[in-house]
Amino acid sequence: DVVMTQTPLSLSVTPGQPASISCKSSQSLLHSGGKTYLYWYLQKPGQPPQLLIYEASRRFSEVPDRFSGSGSGTDFTLKIGRVEAEDVGIYYCMQGLHLPRTFGQGTKLEIK
Amino acid sequence: QVELVQSGTEVKKPGASVKVSCKASGYSFDNYYIGWVRQAPGQGLEWMGRTSSNNGDTNYAQKFQGRVTMTTDTSTSTAFMELRSLTSDDTAVYFCARDRDCSTGVCSDYWGQGTLVTVSS
Repeated sequence: DVVMTQTPLSLSVTPGQPASISCKSSQSLLHSGGKTYLYWYLQKPGQPPQLLIYEASRRFSEVPDRFSGSGSGTDFTLKIGRVEAEDVGIYYCMQGLHLPRTFGQGTKLEIK
Repeated sequence: QVELVQSGTEVKKPGASVKVSCKASGYSFDNYYIGWVRQAPGQGLEWMGRTSSNNGDTNYAQKFQGRVTMTTDTSTSTAFMELRSLTSDDTAVYFCARDRDCSTGVCSDYWGQGTLVTVSS
């Protein structure tokens, strides 16, 4: 199975400041068709995960543009341009190239 | 709008089975898979498997092979996940999610609200 490793596991950010989360996969997530199947989710307290980024860098429907994804191969980053109070929760990366789908351990974001 | 509505909280005894449902609306049900992910208390997300709403094909995580059955009923746009021989380690919130092969479009995009399954004697 593909192992997904996130860092850091927690971070505390002042509103208006940027935040960055790293995700590394044990195998390349580049498909033969040229796309990279790395997804980012946010799970707010008491809610199901909500999709933020798909194919490493594409924002999902109605996701604010302060969220951006980058990376290729095995190294990926989620950046929040200016953190807002509503961004608190746990962020997960997931690989969609291989079955079983696998998730990172999660990164808990809190507001200072 | 796409919506997945799951069945309610379950409490089961060790050794019993549980069957969770997931009713879909707002899209063509048989054009997608339904995937299942669980989350133990205070833990991360664990992919269990998925089933095609088109032809019933299934892919199960090896951990659950032989103990889980995922099915769909296209007449009611509902998916089901049955887990047998429950132990306390199966206590978790179980989520369904609309799914597809990621190479054909956005996968695991919309999720149900989750169903809490508690296994306790």
